[in-house]
Amino acid sequence: DQQVKQNSPSLSVQEGRISILNCDYTNSMFDYFLWYKKYPAEGPTFLISISSIKDKNEDGRFTVFLNKSAKHLSLHIVPSQPGDSAVYFCAAFQGGSEKLVFGKGTKLTVNP
Amino acid sequence: DARVTQTPRHKVTEMGQEVTMRCQPILGHNTVFWYRQTMMQGLELLAYFRNRAPLDDSGMPKDRFSAEMPDATLATLKIQPSEPRDSAVYFCASGRGTYNEQFFGPGTRLTVL
Repeated sequence: DQQVKQNSPSLSVQEGRISILNCDYTNSMFDYFLWYKKYPAEGPTFLISISSIKDKNEDGRFTVFLNKSAKHLSLHIVPSQPGDSAVYFCAAFQGGSEKLVFGKGTKLTVNP
Repeated sequence: DARVTQTPRHKVTEMGQEVTMRCQPILGHNTVFWYRQTMMQGLELLAYFRNRAPLDDSGMPKDRFSAEMPDATLATLKIQPSEPRDSAVYFCASGRGTYNEQFFGPGTRLTVL
């Protein structure tokens, strides 16, 4: 039973345009969310996070939006660059737990 | 530049053999995690430790997998006997606990023939 769902296995966008990666969750006890980026043959690296008390967090070209009522978050990358091509994982902490629950990932391809 | 290290990076073995994967967490991190990545399941948590004490290994097949932290600089994941379905990439990660990002190692790609 997937508690964190990334329903799009892949996404392709043109360089310079916006990339929007989506994530849905089912557990209302999740209260802190993270996005990780993973290149081939490397481990995932932390990208950006958001607490459930916020609805937006921005870091340079990356913005994460959280809609608690819809149990939905999204990662916006503007403008997209070819170096952003990677697999993006959505992950969540549940109320005080140290364990992260990951989605299955979305492979983003940014075409020059 | 502190990072999590894992050895070996690649391992090819035959069914029935013992496999040991090692991880050196980032100094000062008090939590260590073992994950397995497969195409079907994504990133699955196998086990984790806080201050070297095992807290949760519910994600591991206990009859063949074991995880230990003999000291603060070393975590191990053993598979005995290995099976072809164990073929996957195994990641170690360390962190400072709840609401802190976990830092991942480069992974061990295991192939069991």
